[in-house]
Amino acid sequence: AQSVTQLDSQVPVFEEAPVELRCNYSSSVSVYLFWYVQYPNQGLQLLLKYLSGSTLVKGINGFEAEFNKSQTSFHLRKPSVHISDTAEYFCAVSRSGAGSYQLTFGKGTKLSVIP
Amino acid sequence: DAGVIQSPRHEVTEMGQEVTLRCKPISGHNSLFWYRQTMMRGLELLIYFNNNVPIDDSGMPEDRFSAKMPNASFSTLKIQPSEPRDSAVYFCASSLLAGVETQYFGPGTRLLVL
Repeated sequence: AQSVTQLDSQVPVFEEAPVELRCNYSSSVSVYLFWYVQYPNQGLQLLLKYLSGSTLVKGINGFEAEFNKSQTSFHLRKPSVHISDTAEYFCAVSRSGAGSYQLTFGKGTKLSVIP
Repeated sequence: DAGVIQSPRHEVTEMGQEVTLRCKPISGHNSLFWYRQTMMRGLELLIYFNNNVPIDDSGMPEDRFSAKMPNASFSTLKIQPSEPRDSAVYFCASSLLAGVETQYFGPGTRLLVL
């Protein structure tokens, strides 16, 4: 089974400052990794995903994440945040391979961008 | 595309009543998922359908919960009888295929059981 730990439940950051949201996972098999964003009163939207290849993954809205297998981490970063980035961010993991469908989500990190 | 459509968006009911949540996946998607989101437990997968067939219902809390997918464009999640601990946001998601394909989430149904 896989598990995900998001180390920070809330992250306040000033507008135009950089941000890093931390995610660590646990798995005995190879994994796929995902970051989703949830804006207030909306469903989750995929930001980016790592399946294989380059460990640096670029997503929408200027976000990127780096897969670090040795540290079992997949931290999300943005060099300069906007007010519109205020949302909750979820890291998720699934077993890699054909037929894998089970996404295990972390508890989420609420990002608050301060004007 | 309209995205995943869920109804109702909000539901308030009394303990013991039957609740039915509805989902219309994105056209052409073969996989459908029902999730429940609570403060305590986060996001949990309740059931997964592939080509309208339930593949994994191990996340369904108990016999009070049931889900159906009579055709490729419609699914329901039913709770009978409902209890206050069922209060949560229920999301439906669909994907073209399971696995690496992106899951697209609906806006959710916020359920409050009094």
